[in-house]
Amino acid sequence: GQQLNQSPQSMFIQEGEDVSMNCTSSSIFNTWLWYKQEPGEGPVLLIALYKAGELTSNGRLTAQFGITRKDSFLNISASIPSDVGIYFCAGRAGGTSYGKLTFGQGTILTVHP
Amino acid sequence: DVKVTQSSRYLVKRTGEKVFLECVQDMDHENMFWYRQDPGLGLRLIYFSYDVKMKEKGDIPEGYSVSREKKERFSLILESASTNQTSMYLCASSVHQGQETQYFGPGTRLLVL
Repeated sequence: GQQLNQSPQSMFIQEGEDVSMNCTSSSIFNTWLWYKQEPGEGPVLLIALYKAGELTSNGRLTAQFGITRKDSFLNISASIPSDVGIYFCAGRAGGTSYGKLTFGQGTILTVHP
Repeated sequence: DVKVTQSSRYLVKRTGEKVFLECVQDMDHENMFWYRQDPGLGLRLIYFSYDVKMKEKGDIPEGYSVSREKKERFSLILESASTNQTSMYLCASSVHQGQETQYFGPGTRLLVL
């Protein structure tokens, strides 16, 4: 199946620092989604992007749908301890149906107080 | 709020046993999905269903089957569990085409001995 390359695989940061992570694909995507998974729980949607170039914020989180439609970025500003978790990107390529998504490998975020 | 529930949070089974993982959603969603999550590999799609009694293979269907007899319930079956099926299993649901957001259950952590 299609694959997304998500980086970095893990991040260890101090509280208050900003965080950036990204996903790239070899094929064009029509939709990009960013999820967060906290320990022992299922992923929860953070931000959805539907248009190339779109920049969307959700509190301290900002995500962008790349102009080439082959990448997306997630930034977290002024990190806090509760930002800890695994962040996944997901995309839907053109031609797929029934809401199928392709997921990245995840970025494990650790925030030190 | 969308609610996706999974029958067990933790399961321990022996090699060769038949295992049933149940998922129920309460939002009348057409699409339902089963993923497995392994460290460094992200979420990989096992099977999905877009309607009652309809099913499609995902990226890694080998060793698994599914059943969707009712719209709200999607079952994952391991016919003969093996140790390499030890993993976290996540169920998700979404509305029909046009809304790619998938809502996840809390996951079932399966250990096959």
